[in-house]
Amino acid sequence: IAGITQAPTSQILAAGRRMTLRCTQDMRHNAMYWYRQDLGLGLRLIHYSNTAGTTGKGEVPDGYSVSRANTDDFPLTLASAVPSQTSVYFCASSETSGGAGTQYFGPGTRLTVL
Amino acid sequence: AQRVTQPEKLLSVFKGAPVELKCNYSYSGSPELFWYVQYSRQRLQLLLRHISRESIKGFTADLNKGETSFHLKKPFAQEEDSAMYYCALRLGGGATNKLIFGTGTLLAVQP
Repeated sequence: IAGITQAPTSQILAAGRRMTLRCTQDMRHNAMYWYRQDLGLGLRLIHYSNTAGTTGKGEVPDGYSVSRANTDDFPLTLASAVPSQTSVYFCASSETSGGAGTQYFGPGTRLTVL
Repeated sequence: AQRVTQPEKLLSVFKGAPVELKCNYSYSGSPELFWYVQYSRQRLQLLLRHISRESIKGFTADLNKGETSFHLKKPFAQEEDSAMYYCALRLGGGATNKLIFGTGTLLAVQP
């Protein structure tokens, strides 16, 4: 693994179903983030984690949950998907603080909720 | 309130023409600003950050605190510059690396 990987690449999901988007990084970054990208709205932060064992809410957390059991993995769960959650989801990682502040992004997951 | 504004959804220019992608911010602290770029079928990546005062792929951006702006400029656009560009503001100074992003500007460079 090099950098950040996300799975699946794309998914079509029926409304009401549960879905977990996976994100794994091998850069030993403490901080990880989940964004959704929507046309005209840009990237909006859903949830973040500054270090393993802690999580925080971003700008649009409703309908989503995350966990951070270890440094490498940061899964995003939609408990009961709705059509408004149709989007492209990006995972990112960075050092927790200091440094250059650069975030490194995964390739994204395109999710369609019908 | 902290905010990043990119007023143009789409900017279309001809190859060789100058480019300016606008970014304005609202932030009560000391701002740190970035430009990220997403080329077609590639992941989002850092283009440049204001603290480095660098030129990447011919692009530059100067932080203007008086105008609260961080516009991205290039004197001569190339077709390979066509991409989605996002301006981002780092929150909390050095205590965190959380970013807030603007809505993005799609740059289309015509041949």
